[in-house]
Amino acid sequence: GAVVSQHPSWVICKSGTSVKIECRSLDFQATTMFWYRQFPKQSLMLMATSNEGSKATYEQGVEKDKFLINHASLTLSTLTVTSAHPEDSSFYICSARGVDGYEQYFGPGTRLTVT
Amino acid sequence: LAKTTQPISMDSYEGQEVNITCSHNNIATNDYITWYQQFPSQGPRFIIQGYKTKVTNEVASLFIPADRKSSTLSLPRVSLSDTAVYYCPGYTDKLIFGTGTRLQVFP
Repeated sequence: GAVVSQHPSWVICKSGTSVKIECRSLDFQATTMFWYRQFPKQSLMLMATSNEGSKATYEQGVEKDKFLINHASLTLSTLTVTSAHPEDSSFYICSARGVDGYEQYFGPGTRLTVT
Repeated sequence: LAKTTQPISMDSYEGQEVNITCSHNNIATNDYITWYQQFPSQGPRFIIQGYKTKVTNEVASLFIPADRKSSTLSLPRVSLSDTAVYYCPGYTDKLIFGTGTRLQVFP
């Protein structure tokens, strides 16, 4: 089956610094990638959608200058949390969709803690 | 907006059958219905997908009535390891997750 990986699986950073999370589709080409955020005991909230080679489309209320998304290849998307603050601490999950265009495959998630 | 509605939580005991129903009031004609399972600190895991009537795989069954306004995920003979959150996300070119159903299985 289609496999999506994320790196790192967890990261701790200091307030004010930036952190990058990678999402890779290991055995298929991902034309579209999605980034979700999940706070404890809550559901997944879609942050943004990115198509390879295009600018990401952000959901309402998500700051595009704070959460920088790059989808430069068909197997890699990155999410950079800039000037992170403690309230950005969350579980970030990426998802990828292949050229067949329907099913989304999820990564294992990245736990971000900002101190 | 393809929002779905499902119970917040359910309790069950080992060995029982669990049925979780999801409301898909705004489902589009071409959309499939997909269910995911999520354990703490993990990404969602695909369980089953269907378009209409009944679909069965090695872990679950999915029942979809003719009007497709709802779906029921059936887990036969649950075990403690089935304790998780179950989602039936809506779809508008991307998966939109609702509250999910937190299933707690007791011994």
